[in-house]
Amino acid sequence: IAGITQAPTSQILAAGRRMTLRCTQDMRHNAMYWYRQDLGLGLRLIHYSNTAGTTGKGEVPDGYSVSRANTDDFPLTLASAVPSQTSVYFCASSDGREADTQYFGPGTRLTVL
Amino acid sequence: GQNIDQPTEMTATEGAIVQINCTYQTSGFNGLFWYQQHAGEAPTFLSYNVLDGLEEKGRFSSFLSRSKGYSYLLLKELQMKDSASYLCAVREGDYKLSFGAGTTVTVRA
Repeated sequence: IAGITQAPTSQILAAGRRMTLRCTQDMRHNAMYWYRQDLGLGLRLIHYSNTAGTTGKGEVPDGYSVSRANTDDFPLTLASAVPSQTSVYFCASSDGREADTQYFGPGTRLTVL
Repeated sequence: GQNIDQPTEMTATEGAIVQINCTYQTSGFNGLFWYQQHAGEAPTFLSYNVLDGLEEKGRFSSFLSRSKGYSYLLLKELQMKDSASYLCAVREGDYKLSFGAGTTVTVRA
């Protein structure tokens, strides 16, 4: 069982380009999340999905979109990348139990030039 | 919304004890989490508190006081591998977590 996988591991992207970060989980978790992590700011929620077919906006959604066509996949798309989107992106899913603990993927390091 | 404060950095000696404090302000508290994150890696779950009191897990313990908006993570018998960032996160509502900026702990020999 892999848990949560993310792809790519890292990417350098020219400003203005479109980019999709992939996230797949095999734990059958209903809820999934996308965070960005920047030095000194901690993890900030971009978008989330409580269950397949539904999505919601987090703290910093501008410039990003998500879809949740099935339980396992939750891709994050940057329609037109800007340098301020340079960050480490983490995908997470939660188990829906009492604690509803979130489990994180290995992250994607994105640099926008 | 959330306002979560924790110290930026702490340094301690191998074998010692370190306490990382976290204070928060929230309108709908529904649980507090601590995560460990080694440099260049993903956060990993350490502990969860939803009721007041102390939760102990081996060398790590976490305490919560809901009335004070306060939690701490206690790391005992420090080892070099405990050098990492420790993230305090508060859940408000059903799903979403808000994270503090993290506390970087450096363990010295």
